Amino acid sequence: DTEVTQTPKHLVMGMTNKKSLKCEQHMGHRAMYWYKQKAKKPPELMFVYSYEKLSINESVPSRFSPECPNSSLLNLHLHALQPEDSALYLCASSQRMWGTGELFFGEGSRLTVL
Amino acid sequence: RKEVEQDPGPFNVPEGATVAFNCTYSNSASQSFFWYRQDCRKEPKLLMSVYSSGNEDGRFTAQLNRASQYISLLIRDSKLSDSATYLCVVNSGRALTFGSGTRLQVQP
Repeated sequence: DTEVTQTPKHLVMGMTNKKSLKCEQHMGHRAMYWYKQKAKKPPELMFVYSYEKLSINESVPSRFSPECPNSSLLNLHLHALQPEDSALYLCASSQRMWGTGELFFGEGSRLTVL
Repeated sequence: RKEVEQDPGPFNVPEGATVAFNCTYSNSASQSFFWYRQDCRKEPKLLMSVYSSGNEDGRFTAQLNRASQYISLLIRDSKLSDSATYLCVVNSGRALTFGSGTRLQVQP
């Protein structure tokens, strides 16, 4: 079982909806990441939080809005998404940003935008 | 040139076979190297780190060649359960870069 928990596991939303993806870890890790993964492609970095501050935004469209309420939680707020945003959204954590290179991934939230 | 390149495969091998994957990276300042495994519709999981002197974990052997900027993964005595996508990951200290993955299908 993964130590990074993501909810929901599956989400279907319309282009006008507002929804959020949630991620939680209790390993004391101080870096948390959002990745987007399309079928048969590698994970693509979206955001990195280090010590609850946004450190990296990989030029992600503003319809994706990350939030890190505390060191254990990471949210991704979704608004006015497009069908091409349908993908697996993976949350990951590590002891510190990039750290040793070991990222602990959650099982992902599979998003479908209609 | 991509920062991390892998042969996408698929590699179709019979059970018990030995199979090897290579991965090349372009940033000579890269600091650490890893192989992750990703099963179909699951999250990536760390398989093993790759050390300069080479390292082994059971049936898996990883090697690093800094001069030629490539890393390799050797799987001996393949099992059906080894079927997955193997992602090469390179840590530059400022980012982790994933290769596009090599798909392995072990057949009975």
